[in-house]
Amino acid sequence: AQSVTQPDIHITVSEGASLELRCNYSYGATPYLFWYVQSPGQGLQLLLKYFSGDTLVQGIKGFEAEFKRSQSSFNLRKPSVHWSDAAEYFCAVYSGAGSYQLTFGKGTKLSVIP
Amino acid sequence: DVKVTQSSRYLVKRTGEKVFLECVQDMDHENMFWYRQDPGLGLRLIYFSYDVKMKEKGDIPEGYSVSREKKERFSLILESASTNQTSMYLCASSPRAPHTGELFFGEGSRLTVL
Repeated sequence: AQSVTQPDIHITVSEGASLELRCNYSYGATPYLFWYVQSPGQGLQLLLKYFSGDTLVQGIKGFEAEFKRSQSSFNLRKPSVHWSDAAEYFCAVYSGAGSYQLTFGKGTKLSVIP
Repeated sequence: DVKVTQSSRYLVKRTGEKVFLECVQDMDHENMFWYRQDPGLGLRLIYFSYDVKMKEKGDIPEGYSVSREKKERFSLILESASTNQTSMYLCASSPRAPHTGELFFGEGSRLTVL
């Protein structure tokens, strides 16, 4: 069965600093990969997705993620964090193997210090 | 703009009450999902539906039921609410084809059971 690990439960960065959120997945083939963001009290919004092709994908709000097959990773990055980026971030994987289910990591909460 | 609407953002119910959480999507999606979100546990799938009147159990269906009488509407029912069902409930939808796993989420319904 596929699984997703987000090793960091909580990360605190200063505004203007760079950010990298880690995501590792477990699945035999190349899955479809997603990053979602959830602001407090809100639903989940798609930041970016990887299906195939270029392993560096660009998303909304200045985020990008890189798929590394050899490391089974899909880390999320942003060069300069803004206070409004404080939220919870979820990595998710879809195997496409006849299932409709998206498997989520447990999330990383990002706090931003002014 | 595409939308998934959850009718109640906040609900407070008493133990033993019957609770209905309603979700409507305007994207003509075949698939609809109910997730439960708890701190430290991430998102867990309760039920999903891939067509009208069709439903499949997710990872934690106990204590819940669902109804899908119309394509655009998916209801989650707690027959007899208990305090351990206090949580954030998220509805999502996705198209059958192309099916990439990408989900479109509502803003969530926060349920408190006293």
